[in-house]
Amino acid sequence: ETGVTQTPRHLVMGMTNKKSLKCEQHLGHNAMYWYKQSAKKPLELMFVYNFKEQTENNSVPSRFSPECPNSSHLFLHLHTLQPEDSALYLCASSSTTGSTYEQYFGPGTRLTVT
Amino acid sequence: KQEVTQIPAALSVPEGENLVLNCSFTDSAIYNLQWFRQDPGKGLTSLLLIQSSQREQTSGRLNASLDKSSGRSTLYIAASQPGDSATYLCAGGYNFNKFYFGSGTKLNVKP
Repeated sequence: ETGVTQTPRHLVMGMTNKKSLKCEQHLGHNAMYWYKQSAKKPLELMFVYNFKEQTENNSVPSRFSPECPNSSHLFLHLHTLQPEDSALYLCASSSTTGSTYEQYFGPGTRLTVT
Repeated sequence: KQEVTQIPAALSVPEGENLVLNCSFTDSAIYNLQWFRQDPGKGLTSLLLIQSSQREQTSGRLNASLDKSSGRSTLYIAASQPGDSATYLCAGGYNFNKFYFGSGTKLNVKP
């Protein structure tokens, strides 16, 4: 595997379900990000982890719970979601030890909440 | 609040035409400006990144410029091809943990 991978690619869940999204980066980066992309809205940065420590939580509802066990893996745990949470969830990574902070994205997980 | 605006929202051009996509940002204390391409239902592919100390970057038929003082960046695509059809997004980076994206320009290049 190369780059940034995400699983599953598609997920349909009911409002009472609990599911998790997984992201893995194979780029040797130390920072990882979760973004939400809804129709007709700009990408919204949700969470940022740097060297496994959460450095940003942009007022995301508690029904979204991130986990970063190491610099290569990032999870987003989902529970009691709402239909408006249906969106494309994108994971990204970057290096914060260099000077560019260039972000590399995964293919995304298309989430549908029914 | 930082805002990033992209104009136009959609653009349709015949194959072979040169075109310019625009990105403007409200906060000039930008660290970098990154241009991405997104195909329908897919993730983002990085095209070019311009650091705040740079004025432009080039990759193949793509050239991106950055003018911090006016809060503007442009992406120039030369000799457009149908394969260039996608949504183009710009993102202003203000630190490793602060990025603001525009809503994108949806480009259609007609054969």
